[in-house]
Amino acid sequence: DQQVKQNSPSLSVQEGRISILNCDYTNSMFDYFLWYKKYPAEGPTFLISISSIKDKNEDGRFTVFLNKSAKHLSLHIVPSQPGDSAVYFCAAWDSNYQLIWGAGTKLIIKP
Amino acid sequence: EAQVTQNPRYLITVTGKKLTVTCSQNMNHEYMSWYRQDPGLGLRQIYYSMNVEVTDKGDVPEGYKVSRKEKRNFPLILESPSPNQTSLYFCASSRTLAGGLETQYFGPGTRLLVL
Repeated sequence: DQQVKQNSPSLSVQEGRISILNCDYTNSMFDYFLWYKKYPAEGPTFLISISSIKDKNEDGRFTVFLNKSAKHLSLHIVPSQPGDSAVYFCAAWDSNYQLIWGAGTKLIIKP
Repeated sequence: EAQVTQNPRYLITVTGKKLTVTCSQNMNHEYMSWYRQDPGLGLRQIYYSMNVEVTDKGDVPEGYKVSRKEKRNFPLILESPSPNQTSLYFCASSRTLAGGLETQYFGPGTRLLVL
């Protein structure tokens, strides 16, 4: 059973608009979440993270929101740019020092 | 340049022929990990290591072995590869801090095909 779920396999957004990628988790013990970005033929690269003591973290065009009661987090990219086209993974650290990953969402930015 | 390197990047082999994928990091990280990525499943952890001589199973350890004799290296060994181990493999490392881990740095990936 997947503990971290990204229910949208893909998302298409117009350049300049907001991209919103969603992630749900089932384990209420998770307390640190990360978003990674992955281009084809490359390893994932870290994008932004959030601790459970916060409900928002911002870094430039990227903002992550955490709703602990709903066990839901989202990544907002504003404005979306062509270089943002990639697969985005949501992940959570568990108490055993394992990083639990979602299945990923492929973001396509249309010019 | 801080990096995680993996070799080989691409490998085609046959069932049962032992192989090793090497992983090396130059950041003096304590924590290292191996993942496999399969379509629709995201990244699944195979094994991880908190430090030299300390290794633990991840979610999908069957059919794999690892060793951590030195801090910088964390090879992944497939003693008898099978076709269901055809996948894209990533090695990662991070620093261990009190109370947790920093973000992980990933290698470029090794694409393995087992015939």
